Amino acid sequence: EVQLVESGGGLVQPGGSLRLSCAASGFTFSGHWMYWVRQAPGKGLVWVSCISSDGSITNYAGSVKGRFTISRDNAKNTLYLQMNSLRAEDTAVYYCARVTRYSGSPWGQGALVTVSS
Amino acid sequence: QSALTQPASVSGSPGQSITISCTGTSSDVGGYNYVSWYQQHPVKAPKVVIFEVSNRPSGVPDRFSGSKSGNTASLTISGLQAEDEADYYCSSYTSSDTWVFGGGTTLTVL
Repeated sequence: EVQLVESGGGLVQPGGSLRLSCAASGFTFSGHWMYWVRQAPGKGLVWVSCISSDGSITNYAGSVKGRFTISRDNAKNTLYLQMNSLRAEDTAVYYCARVTRYSGSPWGQGALVTVSS
Repeated sequence: QSALTQPASVSGSPGQSITISCTGTSSDVGGYNYVSWYQQHPVKAPKVVIFEVSNRPSGVPDRFSGSKSGNTASLTISGLQAEDEADYYCSSYTSSDTWVFGGGTTLTVL
């Protein structure tokens, strides 16, 4: 069964840092692009970042560029999102997803990140 | 990258058909056949119901269909059922090698 499991969410103060992980299983992780999408409470989905299958290409939404870093460890079948200089508006559930035929499928269950003092 | 434009809400009675539109630009929806649609039930992760404009993943009922004309894509659900009540989001690959989502549409089955 293809499965993605996020971890690392939690409460962090403004200006702080957090690293999310996304453990993949049930498919050839190294053969797929991956991306992160977030959803603020009661709001819609917003694309955050993507990474190529070998990690050589990364792209970011303007709102997180320079603060967030996406990476992957294909030996560990794990995707990461390092989030620095966090702001209140970064509060959201963060989902990782496998990119297949230019769509996200499947998605993980999500990790809640709360930025508050 | 601006979000794709979707209606905030649509509704229909069981058995009826509804269509949700998704308008972008020539840099996303109009430029690529890489539009996807996602269904999200409350407190659940999104699930793809249409990919590459009109393709259905295995397990998705054929009541779900997708199309595109110019910069606007559409999701049609025919024979509405109670379990179709959910939020629906469109998404497109873009010329910047990124993705963009629509604001979401809440479907109410009356």
